[in-house]
Amino acid sequence: EVQLLESGGGLVQPGGSLRLSCAASGFAFSNYAMSWVRQAPGKGLEWVSDISGSGSDALYANSVKGRFTISRDNSKSTLFLQMNGLRAEDTAIYYCARDSLYRGYVSLDSWGQGTLVTVSS
Amino acid sequence: DIQMTQSPSSLSASVGDRVTITCRASQSIRNFLNWYQQKPGRAPKLLIFAASSLQSGVPSRFSGSGSGTDFHLTISSLQPEDFATYYCQQSYSPLTYTFGQGTKLEI
Repeated sequence: EVQLLESGGGLVQPGGSLRLSCAASGFAFSNYAMSWVRQAPGKGLEWVSDISGSGSDALYANSVKGRFTISRDNSKSTLFLQMNGLRAEDTAIYYCARDSLYRGYVSLDSWGQGTLVTVSS
Repeated sequence: DIQMTQSPSSLSASVGDRVTITCRASQSIRNFLNWYQQKPGRAPKLLIFAASSLQSGVPSRFSGSGSGTDFHLTISSLQPEDFATYYCQQSYSPLTYTFGQGTKLEI
């Protein structure tokens, strides 16, 4: 069974930093690209970042580019999101998700339960 | 960036109804379109990928259609567990996988 477990959320002041982790199990982690998706309180889903299975390629939403860094440790089946220069508008539940690639079509087929990040003074 | 617009934003229906949710892309995305279901306090769940392919384990009352810029998610006979928020997502652009704003399906 695929399991994704996020951790590292919490309360941080504006301008501060936080590092989220996502521990994966139940599948060959290095074979899959992974994503972070966030959801502000009462709002919709926003794709944040994506990283290839090897970790060599990464993509970012314009809203976080230059502030957030996605990475992974395939030896520990763990995905990370380093968040710097945090703003109030970064307050959200952050989900990690597995990218499923089928005949060229990408979808997010497994999700963690999410971790809440609150940016406030 | 490709923008995704869903309609309606909210929808009231009854058990047994047939409902359709629409998602429109700001440019052609061929059939690179996914649908997700999210219940309150829960993570999203993949329903449909590639516009019309049913994800494993998803009931057959869910179906997807469309290509280019206009897409539809249809639930043929609403069940009590289907009341949730539904999101479309484009996976055509390799630079960003944009979501629609969501459609809340209420009793």
